[in-house]
Amino acid sequence: NAGVMQNPRHLVRRRGQEARLRCSPMKGHSHVYWYRQLPEEGLKFMVYLQKENIIDESGMPKERFSAEFPKEGPSILRIQQVVRGDSAAYFCASSPETGAPSRNEQFFGPGTRLTVL
Amino acid sequence: TQLLEQSPQFLSIQEGENLTVYCNSSSVFSSLQWYRQEPGEGPVLLVTVVTGGEVKKLKRLTFQFGDARKDSSLHITAAQPGDTGLYLCAGGRSNYQLIWGAGTKLIIKP
Repeated sequence: NAGVMQNPRHLVRRRGQEARLRCSPMKGHSHVYWYRQLPEEGLKFMVYLQKENIIDESGMPKERFSAEFPKEGPSILRIQQVVRGDSAAYFCASSPETGAPSRNEQFFGPGTRLTVL
Repeated sequence: TQLLEQSPQFLSIQEGENLTVYCNSSSVFSSLQWYRQEPGEGPVLLVTVVTGGEVKKLKRLTFQFGDARKDSSLHITAAQPGDTGLYLCAGGRSNYQLIWGAGTKLIIKP
């Protein structure tokens, strides 16, 4: 079974450009989460999406950042007009729709490392 | 604000030694997960505990969930260089929310 897939693995952008990060969840998973991680630090929650719906975007900056999870295709995290402070590793995780909700298990992709020059 | 305090933040020990990593909170969690992350990769789920007092073993790793479901520990016996990595705990709240610890960077020296 394929795990969570993210692409690109590495992305370099100049200040002011747009960054698009893609995430394909595990087969059968309809819940997607995006996290940001700085070097030597833990994970910071950004947004939680189900198919075609944003459930919780409390961790995502109000400006320049957006996320979607369309009915067909991968989830996209978009960062417009990137700045150097956006440089980080961005991880996507997925979880199944069914199963014991109390377990809260999330399965992570390999991440996209964004570097803003 | 719900916090999950993880300690120690950094641990460097010799191969063969034992160690324990702790996650503590004042909040009750429905579940507690432990993940290991290696450089350049995403976190990998090691274990999920859901019952107060639950103990799970994964080879040389022993995971315990506190009786009140507010804290957890990870004990590694006879650590090996392959155990090196960032260990993250995460407490489950509601249907999807995870509260994350800041991580413990573990280095096992041969």
